[in-house]
Amino acid sequence: GQQVMQIPQYQHVQEGEDFTTYCNSSTTLSNIQWYKQRPGGHPVFLIQLVKSGEVKKQKRLTFQFGEAKKNSSLHITATQTTDVGTYFCAGHFGNQFYFGTGTSLTVIP
Amino acid sequence: GAVVSQHPSWVICKSGTSVKIECRSLDFQATTMFWYRQFPKQSLMLMATSNEGSKATYEQGVEKDKFLINHASLTLSTLTVTSAHPEDSSFYICSARDGLTPTDTQYFGPGTRLTVL
Repeated sequence: GQQVMQIPQYQHVQEGEDFTTYCNSSTTLSNIQWYKQRPGGHPVFLIQLVKSGEVKKQKRLTFQFGEAKKNSSLHITATQTTDVGTYFCAGHFGNQFYFGTGTSLTVIP
Repeated sequence: GAVVSQHPSWVICKSGTSVKIECRSLDFQATTMFWYRQFPKQSLMLMATSNEGSKATYEQGVEKDKFLINHASLTLSTLTVTSAHPEDSSFYICSARDGLTPTDTQYFGPGTRLTVL
């Protein structure tokens, strides 16, 4: 079946350090979405990427969609304690929608 | 932004009883809603897609007779866990799609934490 894997599974960083999570799909995606889930909370939509090679920025967050539309990345510059949470990518395969395995980010003050 | 609510936010029930969870889109109409379950420290697993006015589409391995879904209006979908057992204990999250195309944004509810004793 379709698989959307993320690495790393866990990441601990010192506040101020950068952080990157990578999302890899077994097949080509129609689009990629990124969500953030705080501990005890629900996923919150961050962004959607549609075009091959697309790059979007939201303040300290940079999202990239691979040329082959099979991978994506989220990079956070100069992490803050408010960045703590689990980041999920999610992709459409036709009409199906699957979440990635998630990367849990811990920021040490 | 669009708001989706869920009720209840948490529920504890005895084994063998049924539990109904409501998912409402508060400020938009949602032709399609989705039900997910999430185990601790794991990703969200899609259980079923709920379409207003028609039968839900269940993912492989999800028992439709155990997880009854009703999408009676454009703003309300319900998930009933019938004859719940301890292994059904989980975090159940719904989402509502704001639009008619598969790639339109999904907005998530706050989730319902079910504990079956």
